[in-house]
Amino acid sequence: GAGVSQSPRYKVTKRGQDVALRCDPISGHVSLYWYRQALGQGPEFLTYFNYEAQQDKSGLPNDRFSAERPEGSISTLTIQRTEQRDSAMYRCASSLGVPGGKESYEQYFGPGTRLTVT
Amino acid sequence: AQSVTQLGSHVSVSEGALVLLRCNYSSSVPPYLFWYVQYPNQGLQLLLKYTSAATLVKGINGFEAEFKKSETSFHLTKPSAHMSDAAEYFCAGNTGNQFYFGTGTSLTVIP
Repeated sequence: GAGVSQSPRYKVTKRGQDVALRCDPISGHVSLYWYRQALGQGPEFLTYFNYEAQQDKSGLPNDRFSAERPEGSISTLTIQRTEQRDSAMYRCASSLGVPGGKESYEQYFGPGTRLTVT
Repeated sequence: AQSVTQLGSHVSVSEGALVLLRCNYSSSVPPYLFWYVQYPNQGLQLLLKYTSAATLVKGINGFEAEFKKSETSFHLTKPSAHMSDAAEYFCAGNTGNQFYFGTGTSLTVIP
């Protein structure tokens, strides 16, 4: 079956513009996560959803960042008024179950969206 | 805060030699632990995971990792490196609903 997909794969935008990054998780996966990965670093947690509910957004850097998953499937990460420091790889992952239980469900990652803010 | 630390941002081994990538976790409660591999221009792929069922975990591509609570470690090993193992490797932890990644170790395999 299809894995996690993300679009666009590459996005170049000018400072001050808004961008929307899309994530299409594996069908049937309950949880969806957004990460930001700077060059030479590991993924940094941004936010995650169980179904359509945003359970944790503690990793979002500031209020320019927001995410939604209105129907519990596809998710959009939006960055308003982009700044150069927002340039990074943005990764989405999905998992079958809900974290925090007796079992930890591995996350399946998409290929990422490389965002460059000029 | 919980975290995982990867010792060595770059590791080089000769083809056929032992691969050892180090990961230590910082948590009062042992977390679930994972190793992921990332090839250039690709997403992260799960190699193996520890969920307390067994301390020695075998993964794909001949990799394995041993959970040692006394050392708070979860090092990744492979007996014989192959050229195709050259990639970035990430250790990750999950405690409750928190997921956290190490900074990664780049593995180079020398022919």
